Amino acid sequence: NAGVTQTPKFRVLKTGQSMTLLCAQDMNHEYMYWYRQDPGMGLRLIHYSVGEGTTAKGEVPDGYNVSRLKKQNFLLGLESAAPSQTSVYFCASSYFSGQGGQETQYFGPGTRLLVL
Amino acid sequence: GQNIDQPTEMTATEGAIVQINCTYQTSGFNGLFWYQQHAGEAPTFLSYNVLDGLEEKGRFSSFLSRSKGYSYLLLKELQMKDSASYLCAALNNAGNMLTFGGGTRLMVKP
Repeated sequence: NAGVTQTPKFRVLKTGQSMTLLCAQDMNHEYMYWYRQDPGMGLRLIHYSVGEGTTAKGEVPDGYNVSRLKKQNFLLGLESAAPSQTSVYFCASSYFSGQGGQETQYFGPGTRLLVL
Repeated sequence: GQNIDQPTEMTATEGAIVQINCTYQTSGFNGLFWYQQHAGEAPTFLSYNVLDGLEEKGRFSSFLSRSKGYSYLLLKELQMKDSASYLCAALNNAGNMLTFGGGTRLMVKP
């Protein structure tokens, strides 16, 4: 199993450009998440999905959109990149235990994005 | 909302014991996770506490007190490879969202 994979690993954008980050998992997990990690601020949830075709906003959703057309893929889009979106982006996935609990989240290797 | 607090940095000596504290204030709570993250890498799972008490797993143990909104991660027999950031995260009532603290950067010195 590859686990959770992310593409690309690194990207440089100019202000106003758009891009899509792809996350894929081969563990048949229901839940998928997109986080950003900035120095001293820990991981902040951008958007998440509890199943194919469903998405929800997290803590910092502005400037991002997501789609979950297939259970194994979760896409994060930046329509018009801004320097404030320079960050490391992590995707994660997990099982749903069915009793209000959750198995641990498995993280991808991260995407380093620099917006100039 | 949720507020998670943990120290920013800690330093300890190889072979020693270190305790990393985490306090949380949440509108709903369903358990607490600890993750380890080496520089430039993804977080990896260490422990998950749902009930009060101590969970031991090799050199690492984690404690939870739900009434006090408090958890700690205990690392014994520290090794140089334990130098990393340790992230505390609270699970919400619905079990579908984690809120992370800012992480504690642990430096282990010879």
